Amino acid sequence: QITLKESGPTLVRPTQTLTLTCTFSGFSLSGNGVTVGWIRQPPGKALEWLTHIYGNDNKFYNIALKSRLTITKDTSKNQVVLTMTNMDPMDTGTYYCAHLDSSKWYSYDYWGQGTLVTVSS
Amino acid sequence: DIQMTQSPSSLSASVGDRVTITCRASQSIDSYLNWYQQKPGKAPKLLIYAASSLESGVPSRFSGSGSGTYFTLTISSLQPEDFASYYCQQTYSKVAYTFGQGTKLEFK
Repeated sequence: QITLKESGPTLVRPTQTLTLTCTFSGFSLSGNGVTVGWIRQPPGKALEWLTHIYGNDNKFYNIALKSRLTITKDTSKNQVVLTMTNMDPMDTGTYYCAHLDSSKWYSYDYWGQGTLVTVSS
Repeated sequence: DIQMTQSPSSLSASVGDRVTITCRASQSIDSYLNWYQQKPGKAPKLLIYAASSLESGVPSRFSGSGSGTYFTLTISSLQPEDFASYYCQQTYSKVAYTFGQGTKLEFK
């Protein structure tokens, strides 16, 4: 059974760096076909894809946020870490990590519960 | 980036109605189109992948169709638990998996 869970701060000050951890089970992020991604959602707004990382360490970023995002993985800990620099109140929202299944045309078939991050001074 | 445009942005319907939500891509995405359902305070749930393949466990009243730039999600007979928001997502461009802006399905 695949599960994912996000963890990290609930409140971040403007200009600070956000670090979120996705801890997963039920799969290993070491194969080429396995991917974990991050998606966020401002309150009352649409989903926004941020980034994802493949088991072979290939990484892709939302071009609009690329300069601020870094995704890494720790295969031994079954974790994926997202860092986002220079946080702004507009970055407030729920951040989700999700498992991507390449056999299902790269859809996100398992999601974490999400973690709400508020950016405020 | 490939832009995804959903319509309508909101929709009022009743239990038993047949409803259709559309999603248009700014360029051809073959069949790399997924549909998600999201209920308030919950994570999205995969309904349809590859434009028309039903995810395991999803009721058969949900169906998807389309290819290229035009796609639809149809619910054949609305049930009370179907009132939620729905999002399309393209995964054709491996460098950016964009979502549509969402459709909120509300009770009439």
